[in-house]
Amino acid sequence: GAGVSQSPSNKVTEKGKDVELRCDPISGHTALYWYRQSLGQGLEFLIYFQGNSAPDKSGLPSDRFSAERTGGSVSTLTIQRTQQEDSAVYLCATTPGAGGKQYFGPGTRLTVT
Amino acid sequence: DAKTTQPPSMDCAEGRAANLPCNHSTISGNEYVYWYRQIHSQGPQYIIHGLKNNETNEMASLIITEDRKSSTLILPHATLRDTAVYYCIVSLEYGNKLVFGAGTILRVKS
Repeated sequence: GAGVSQSPSNKVTEKGKDVELRCDPISGHTALYWYRQSLGQGLEFLIYFQGNSAPDKSGLPSDRFSAERTGGSVSTLTIQRTQQEDSAVYLCATTPGAGGKQYFGPGTRLTVT
Repeated sequence: DAKTTQPPSMDCAEGRAANLPCNHSTISGNEYVYWYRQIHSQGPQYIIHGLKNNETNEMASLIITEDRKSSTLILPHATLRDTAVYYCIVSLEYGNKLVFGAGTILRVKS
């Protein structure tokens, strides 16, 4: 079946612009996570959605970062006023329930020039 | 900070078993040991996880010591396609935001 999909696969933007990154989870998966991976670094947790519960935003690095998950399905990660240090691969992962193994998407490579 | 310690890199001959160690001396009683791998330019891929018993699936085996302070991931017959960064992670089973360390770069050589 279809896995987690993310779009766009690559995004180049100018410093100061806003960007939106999209994650389409596996159908029926109720939990959704965003991570980012900067060049040569490990994965860093950003935000976690589980069902109708309030999201865990503890990993968001600044108030320029926000995320939504509409209807418990598609999620959008928004970065406002992008900075060069925001350049990274942004990864989405989902799980069928509240935990267990996470299924990762291919990521969106964001480059801020 | 990651709660695990792994060697930065390992080499393995194709067709041989790859044994990847991980230390997690501060693991809590309700935390699981998870293994993921990341092949270049792809998202991480789940391999296996366990609490205290040894586990085996179609990809690998996980051996956890009795005191749960360390574990070993075993790829029984490594292939070139197993070349990747392998991450050992300790996490609750539910609501488990994963904390990734640097992992082990496994190079499988022909």
